[in-house]
Amino acid sequence: AQSVTQLDSHVSVSEGTPVLLRCNYSSSYSPSLFWYVQHPNKGLQLLLKYTSAATLVKGINGFEAEFKKSETSFHLTKPSAHMSDAAEYFCVVSRGPNFGNEKLTFGTGTRLTIIP
Amino acid sequence: SQTIHQWPATLVQPVGSPLSLECTVEGTSNPNLYWYRQAAGRGLQLLFYSVGIGQISSEVPQNLSASRPQDRQFILSSKKLLLSDSGFYLCAWDPGQVVSEAFFGQGTRLTVV
Repeated sequence: AQSVTQLDSHVSVSEGTPVLLRCNYSSSYSPSLFWYVQHPNKGLQLLLKYTSAATLVKGINGFEAEFKKSETSFHLTKPSAHMSDAAEYFCVVSRGPNFGNEKLTFGTGTRLTIIP
Repeated sequence: SQTIHQWPATLVQPVGSPLSLECTVEGTSNPNLYWYRQAAGRGLQLLFYSVGIGQISSEVPQNLSASRPQDRQFILSSKKLLLSDSGFYLCAWDPGQVVSEAFFGQGTRLTVV
């Protein structure tokens, strides 16, 4: 079994300040982990993924995430927020590197608001 | 390059009416195809996935069905819509490799009235 918990449903930060979106997971396997972003009324776009290689993963648009097995966390960070970062972010866990996308479990999402 | 088309973008349907949402993928062959539903304030729920023509797996029992009449076409249907079918429906594909990125369509906002 696997699950993912996004600890904050809504995060607000000022433009130019750091972003932290928190995600904890539970898995009976060695999971793969993803962060997807969704802009209003749009599909999801992959930001980054962890697949048992380097624990610090760099993604698009300046985002990165660190896989911490001891804390079962995969928090998403960005040093400086931009207005265009305002969107919904989903943390996603997969059963592992040998399983397909039909085994994904999505978090409930974190809405990121950027204050000008 | 690969593209995914999903339509319509928005749809308002009365209770009891039929539904047909269509999704097509271009620029690839034999993709895995997925239908998700996203309810307000909740994550994505996988409804159906398909690894080939005529091969449909359902993840949850529901009022909906899916079909894959062609390699790159995936259709979500219902004979009689319920109010609870309202939501944001997303089609997605991946190239069939494990741990591959899923590519999502723009979604359909369905409101059942």
